[in-house]
Amino acid sequence: KAGVTQTPRYLIKTRGQQVTLSCSPISGHRSVSWYQQTPGQGLQFLFEYFSETQRNKGNFPGRFSGRQFSNSRSEMNVSTLELGDSALYLCASSADNYGYTFGSGTRLTVV
Amino acid sequence: ILNVEQSPQSLHVQEGDSTNFTCSFPSSNFYALHWYRWETAKSPEALFVMTLNGDEKKKGRISATLNTKEGYSYLYIKGSQPEDSATYLCALHGSGNTGKLIFGQGTTLQVKP
Repeated sequence: KAGVTQTPRYLIKTRGQQVTLSCSPISGHRSVSWYQQTPGQGLQFLFEYFSETQRNKGNFPGRFSGRQFSNSRSEMNVSTLELGDSALYLCASSADNYGYTFGSGTRLTVV
Repeated sequence: ILNVEQSPQSLHVQEGDSTNFTCSFPSSNFYALHWYRWETAKSPEALFVMTLNGDEKKKGRISATLNTKEGYSYLYIKGSQPEDSATYLCALHGSGNTGKLIFGQGTTLQVKP
């Protein structure tokens, strides 16, 4: 059974650019959540999608957005990148709002 | 703002030692408490999902207990091994209608051979 797949694994972008990260959940999982980890911070909740609808949103600026497709794959987008957006971005999927399986993450560096 | 606290922040033990960590959370708005183990360069691995007050779960040498009335959970590792070295995260799940987990900062365990 394939796990949660995040692409790309590493990314380097310049300030002001925008970036799109992808998350393919475990087959059959309809919930996809996104988290950010910056140095010295715990995992911070960005948003969650369920059946193509955003179900919950964390306390992040509007530059952070996401979407979910009919096959449950999800993308998150960050526009007008800032240095502080450099972080590890993790996604997690769930079939039942009980157990969550995480991907290996995308490490974004903004220079 | 819901806050999840973990202690200690880091721990160094010798191989064979037993150890335990604490996770504190607000006892209101409780649906479940999750424990994860996170090794460097890997994805967080689910250890336990606990929902009932007094719950006790075990997986090999690792066990966890839950007290929802006072808002804490303990994770125990018996006879620590070097491969147990990782960061252990707990996360509060406030509602079954959302996938939002509120994570603590984690406890980083280093087990010396």
